[in-house]
Amino acid sequence: NAGVMQNPRHLVRRRGQEARLRCSPMKGHSHVYWYRQLPEEGLKFMVYLQKENIIDESGMPKERFSAEFPKEGPSILRIQQVVRGDSAAYFCASSPGQFSYEQYFGPGTRLTVT
Amino acid sequence: AQSVTQPDIHITVSEGASLELRCNYSYGATPYLFWYVQSPGQGLQLLLKYFSGDTLVQGIKGFEAEFKRSQSSFNLRKPSVHWSDAAEYFCAVVPNRDDKIIFGKGTRLHILP
Repeated sequence: NAGVMQNPRHLVRRRGQEARLRCSPMKGHSHVYWYRQLPEEGLKFMVYLQKENIIDESGMPKERFSAEFPKEGPSILRIQQVVRGDSAAYFCASSPGQFSYEQYFGPGTRLTVT
Repeated sequence: AQSVTQPDIHITVSEGASLELRCNYSYGATPYLFWYVQSPGQGLQLLLKYFSGDTLVQGIKGFEAEFKRSQSSFNLRKPSVHWSDAAEYFCAVVPNRDDKIIFGKGTRLHILP
């Protein structure tokens, strides 16, 4: 059973471009969480999704950031018009149910904005 | 405010020495408690978790942690560290079953040869 997959592992974007980060949950998991890790910080919750639904986006910046988890395919975290402050590691986790204590984490995508 | 505190940002120990990493939380009742390890450029690996029962929890790679309700602590220990243990360690808490997981800021462990 493959673990949580994230791609790309590293992403470089110029200021103003769009970044699309993908997360494929573990087989059988229908709940996905996205986190951001800034340097010298722990992981901060961004958004929690189930298939075709955003359940909790209380940690998402109000502008430029969006997330989806379609019926088919991976979950996507999209950052429009990236700025230098978006440079961070973005982690995805998946769980079989609604409880976050059952999460398994992916390897992360490291976004660098130049 | 509710929080997860890892008071040591950096810790340096000699290879073969014992290790204790501290974690305190400010949530009431008995939360779900976790320790994760992150090697440079890597994702998070779960070392161990505590939900209920025996307050001394054994994990992978020779790590253990003890839940102390009276001190609101969940400290991570290892009797003898190896150079490969150099990494960043995160304590995390789920306050109640329906809550999100909350991470401490991490402790970076350095190992002296």
